[in-house]
Order: sequence, then C-alpha cells, then structure tokens
Amino acid sequence: KQEVTQIPAALSVPEGENLVLNCSFTDSAIYNLQWFRQDPGKGLTSLLLIQSSQREQTSGRLNASLDKSSGRSTLYIAASQPGDSATYLCAVRPGTGFQKLVFGTGTRLLVSP
Amino acid sequence: ETGVTQTPRHLVMGMTNKKSLKCEQHLGHNAMYWYKQSAKKPLELMFVYSLEERVENNSVPSRFSPECPNSSHLFLHLHTLQPEDSALYLCASSQDIPRDSHTDTQYFGPGTRLTVL
Repeated sequence: KQEVTQIPAALSVPEGENLVLNCSFTDSAIYNLQWFRQDPGKGLTSLLLIQSSQREQTSGRLNASLDKSSGRSTLYIAASQPGDSATYLCAVRPGTGFQKLVFGTGTRLLVSP
Repeated sequence: ETGVTQTPRHLVMGMTNKKSLKCEQHLGHNAMYWYKQSAKKPLELMFVYSLEERVENNSVPSRFSPECPNSSHLFLHLHTLQPEDSALYLCASSQDIPRDSHTDTQYFGPGTRLTVL
C-alpha cells in the first residue's frame, strides 16, 4: 500500500529565505507526483506535476525534483514571500489500478515579513 | 476561483440530522470527486463519478450517499453521522478520470467544513 510522508509538518521562516519541503513515498512504482498548495479555508491548487520519467519541473520561484528510485521529492521555494504562506501537499499517482491520488499530510509553511 | 463551487461552506449538524452537500463545476468536465480531509490525516478519496456513473467507492460508510444527477453537479447526502465524521469535505473535477498514463489535473472547490455534534 502506497504511503506518502511529508517532513516537516510545519515550517516558519523569515521572508527572503530559500527553503525546501520534503516528500517521501513507499512504493517507487508511480506514474507521477504532484505538489499542491492549500490556503486556509480553501481548496487545493496544483503547483507542479512531475511525470515518472522526469527529474524536475520548474514554475517561477518553485522547483520540484523527483528521485523515483529512492522514493523522494523535494519542493524548493526561492526567495520566499509572505504570500507563500500556506499548506503544501504532495500526492503520488500509483502505477497500477485506478489512478487515484495518494496524499501526504502536508507541510504548513509560514513566511513572516 | 477554480470553477468549482461548494455549498454550504460551513455546516453544523446533530447525529440524527439529514443534510446534503452540493458541488457544482462550471468547467465542462466529465469527472467529479468527493474527498474527506480530517485534521492531521491525508486527504482521502471517497467517491468518483465519470459521466454520472460511479466508478469508485472507497469503502465509505453507507451514512454517506453520493448523487450525481448530471456531469456538472455532485451531491453528498449525509444521515446519522458520527462526531468522527467532522472534517473538511472537498469536491474536485477533471476533464476525464485518469487511466493508464493519461493524467488530468483536478480542480478543487473550497470545501465544506462539517461539524457533527
């Protein structure tokens, strides 16, 4: 059974810092991995999607990497801003069966001015 | 706004009440989903509908009853819930359900915060 873990559960940084969020998964047989953002009281917004054949994806100040063999992904946020404060969720799509997403519990990020 | 709306945004109900959650998507998508998000637990997929047909029922108790009258609307009917059912219920939609290597981005609504007393 695929399990996804995100560490740390919470992170607080001053504005301007570069930071890394971690995601690990137990079964390396995945089709893709996604990073989502969830603001308080709101739904999820997809940030980046990495296919299993890819090593990384970039969007603006965000860079996500994937190491399938070791079951790990990182989300790198450059020059963090207060507007980046949110919960970041990692989800993998397993490689077999109906392709429902398996989510981690998220990292709650607070960027202070 | 993602094009997926949910009502009500907040709901408090007793264990003997019957209530319904509503989801509507304005994106022309064919697939719709119900998720449950409990505190300190991962998002759990509850139900998936494709073209109004249920394609996934993730071992959800019968006190949760989904209904999909058309591809734009999805309901979750609730009855005799338990306090542990208190959670954020999220609706999502995608163009189609993902199969094999085909991936579709899911668009999420803002959720309904449910409290069962």
